[in-house]
Amino acid sequence: NAGVTQTPKFRVLKTGQSMTLLCAQDMNHEYMYWYRQDPGMGLRLIHYSVGEGTTAKGEVPDGYNVSRLKKQNFLLGLESAAPSQTSVYFCASSTAGGSYNEQFFGPGTRLTVL
Amino acid sequence: GQNIDQPTEMTATEGAIVQINCTYQTSGFNGLFWYQQHAGEAPTFLSYNVLDGLEEKGRFSSFLSRSKGYSYLLLKELQMKDSASYLCAVCCQLIWGAGTKLIIKP
Repeated sequence: NAGVTQTPKFRVLKTGQSMTLLCAQDMNHEYMYWYRQDPGMGLRLIHYSVGEGTTAKGEVPDGYNVSRLKKQNFLLGLESAAPSQTSVYFCASSTAGGSYNEQFFGPGTRLTVL
Repeated sequence: GQNIDQPTEMTATEGAIVQINCTYQTSGFNGLFWYQQHAGEAPTFLSYNVLDGLEEKGRFSSFLSRSKGYSYLLLKELQMKDSASYLCAVCCQLIWGAGTKLIIKP
């Protein structure tokens, strides 16, 4: 039982390049989330998904796209990377229903955009 | 608007007690969560409060007052391994505080 995994762990991009971050969970969770974490800013929600085939915008969705084609995977895409997207990206998942839905986090992806 | 406030940094001594406060203003509320995050690692769940009062879990306790929009995390018998950032989150965990960095000194 691997929990939540993220690939890659580190990446350096040039401005304008594109990339996809992959998040996978093996806990059969309905909900999945993508956050970015910047110094002094805490976690900010980019996009989230409440089930396979559904996605929704979070607090800071601009410049990112997501897809949830399979329940266990949640992909985050950057179509044209900008230096402002330099950050640590965390994926998380949780069960659905009720108000107690502890989130389980992946190890994070450190992205630098030059 | 929606806002969560926590102190940026706190320092405490090994073996002592520390209280980390969190105040929130959100349009919805279905519980308040505390997470611990060691430097360079992912956040991990500590506690969840949905009703007013104190929830105790070993050395850690969490308190909630919904009418005041206020919570605190109480850490007792501090150990060096408790040096970390502590994040509070509300509203389905979609709104997070910036975190409180706790520094433990011997």
